[in-house]
Amino acid sequence: KQEVTQIPAALSVPEGENLVLNCSFTDSAIYNLQWFRQDPGKGLTSLLLIQSSQREQTSGRLNASLDKSSGRSTLYIAASQPGDSATYLCAVLDSNYQLIWGAGTKLIIKP
Amino acid sequence: DVKVTQSSRYLVKRTGEKVFLECVQDMDHENMFWYRQDPGLGLRLIYFSYDVKMKEKGDIPEGYSVSREKKERFSLILESASTNQTSMYLCASKPLAALTGELFFGEGSRLTVL
Repeated sequence: KQEVTQIPAALSVPEGENLVLNCSFTDSAIYNLQWFRQDPGKGLTSLLLIQSSQREQTSGRLNASLDKSSGRSTLYIAASQPGDSATYLCAVLDSNYQLIWGAGTKLIIKP
Repeated sequence: DVKVTQSSRYLVKRTGEKVFLECVQDMDHENMFWYRQDPGLGLRLIYFSYDVKMKEKGDIPEGYSVSREKKERFSLILESASTNQTSMYLCASKPLAALTGELFFGEGSRLTVL
């Protein structure tokens, strides 16, 4: 059974730092992995989608990588800003087209 | 841009009331989903629909039903609300032709059952 883990559950860093959020999954048979952002009390916003055949995707200051063989994805945020404070969730689309979710990492960027 | 609209952002209902949560998407997506999100439990799939009048149970369908009379609208129904259904409800959609494509979410509906 596919399981998705995000560690740490919470992270606090000073503004301007580069940071990495982690997402690991137990079964490499996935179609894709998607990173989302969620602001308090709001819905989810899609950030990046990496298909299983891809190694990374970039959007602005965000870069997501995927290593299927090791069951890992990272979300790299460059030059962090207070506006990046949010909860970041990853989800994998498994071989049955089911989305399996991580519990999220709550990120706080200190001004 | 894809827009998924949940008509009620905040609702307060009493135990036993019938509750309707509405979701509308404007991009002609075939697939629509209802999730609930609770602290410590993450997102859990309640129901999904891949076409008009079609519905499939997700992981936690008990206590809920859904309606998909039109392609753009997917409604979640709580026939008799209970306090353990207090939660954040999230609607999402994506096109059938892109089963491995991006999932788009609404802003969420925070339901409190007293």
